[in-house]
Amino acid sequence: GAVVSQHPSWVICKSGTSVKIECRSLDFQATTMFWYRQFPKQSLMLMATSNEGSKATYEQGVEKDKFLINHASLTLSTLTVTSAHPEDSSFYICSAREYGYTFGSGTRLTVV
Amino acid sequence: GDSVTQMEGPVTLSEEAFLTINCTYTATGYPSLFWYVQYPGEGLQLLLKATKADDKGSNKGFEATYRKETTSFHLEKGSVQVSDSAVYFCALSGGGGDYKLSFGAGTTVTVRA
Repeated sequence: GAVVSQHPSWVICKSGTSVKIECRSLDFQATTMFWYRQFPKQSLMLMATSNEGSKATYEQGVEKDKFLINHASLTLSTLTVTSAHPEDSSFYICSAREYGYTFGSGTRLTVV
Repeated sequence: GDSVTQMEGPVTLSEEAFLTINCTYTATGYPSLFWYVQYPGEGLQLLLKATKADDKGSNKGFEATYRKETTSFHLEKGSVQVSDSAVYFCALSGGGGDYKLSFGAGTTVTVRA
């Protein structure tokens, strides 16, 4: 079946540094990738939608300069959290639109 | 806009009990409806889906029927197991041609032996 591989599964970084999260579609081409953020015991909040070869579309209230999304190829989309702060600590999940929405396994980001 | 209202938890059950999680939606057009399951520390896994009215999605003993007249997609399982303990999310997409998924708040289910 369709698989989206998300890495890293967890990361701890210092305040002020940047972290890159990758999502790769392993056996299909992902034209559209969604990026979500999930706080503990809460639902998923859509951050942005990326389409291969074009700029991402951000949801209202999401800082696009802080959360940089790149979708340079049909098999790779990345989310870079720039100048991370403790309030950016969260669980980030990507999802390709194909095959009824295929989710990555998530990345637990902790900023210390 | 599109929205999903999901029964709040947590829900605690004994093994072999009947599980039902209510889900209702508001959407324009003809959305597709989904149930996802999330185990601790993991991403979401598609449990089942339905793309048009009266469709029944089923998987691993779980079922849900797309009811347009009541705008509902309730999840049911006749006999739960401890391994069914997880968070369940109801979601919809594409009601107005938009492929974004709208999620319910999630329901935590704990099944005790």
